[in-house]
Amino acid sequence: DIQMTQSPSSLSASLGDRVVITCRASQGITNYLNWFQQKPGKAPKLLIYGASSLQSGVPSRFSGGGSGTEFTLTISSLQPEDYATYYCQQTYIKPITFGQGTRLDIK
Amino acid sequence: QVQLVDSGGGVVQPGGSLRLSCTASGFTFSLYAMHWVRQAPGKGLEWVSSIIYDGSNKYYADSVKGRFTISRDNSKDTLYLHMDSLTAEDTAVYYCVRQAGGINWFDPWGQGALVTVSS
Repeated sequence: DIQMTQSPSSLSASLGDRVVITCRASQGITNYLNWFQQKPGKAPKLLIYGASSLQSGVPSRFSGGGSGTEFTLTISSLQPEDYATYYCQQTYIKPITFGQGTRLDIK
Repeated sequence: QVQLVDSGGGVVQPGGSLRLSCTASGFTFSLYAMHWVRQAPGKGLEWVSSIIYDGSNKYYADSVKGRFTISRDNSKDTLYLHMDSLTAEDTAVYYCVRQAGGINWFDPWGQGALVTVSS
């Protein structure tokens, strides 16, 4: 199985900060990498697909990058509604696997 | 609009069975592969099972293989997950999700159905 490892597992940041979350795959997955945002009690929401494509309706302050085994999710300027947990996911090969999540809190 | 509605969750005793349903609307259900993803309380996301558009191929996580069965009825725009031999480790919110695009992204998600396995 492909292991997805996110770093950090949690982080505290202030409004307006630039935040970068990293996701590493245990083997190459080309660009079969998606990012989700989840708020408490809600279903996950797709932010980025194919490593770098912004899902329709998602603010442009979110961006994704990387390919192969190293990927990043960047929030350019944190807004109040961005405080949530973020997950990466690989869909290159089954079983589909998720990272353990990165919890983003208010500093 | 494109929507998935999960139903069928509840409390079940260890060793028991339960069937979840997911009703789709706003898109041509029969053209899409579908998945179930679960989330145990306070934990991360775990892929459970998937089925291709016509139901001819099905896939399972090792943790549920032999106990869970995924199926679909394209005439009713509905996805199912039949769960047998449930244990406390199966306690979770179960989400149905549509697979889309060449990179196989997951969108949208249902609202989730809570399954609690407890005596």
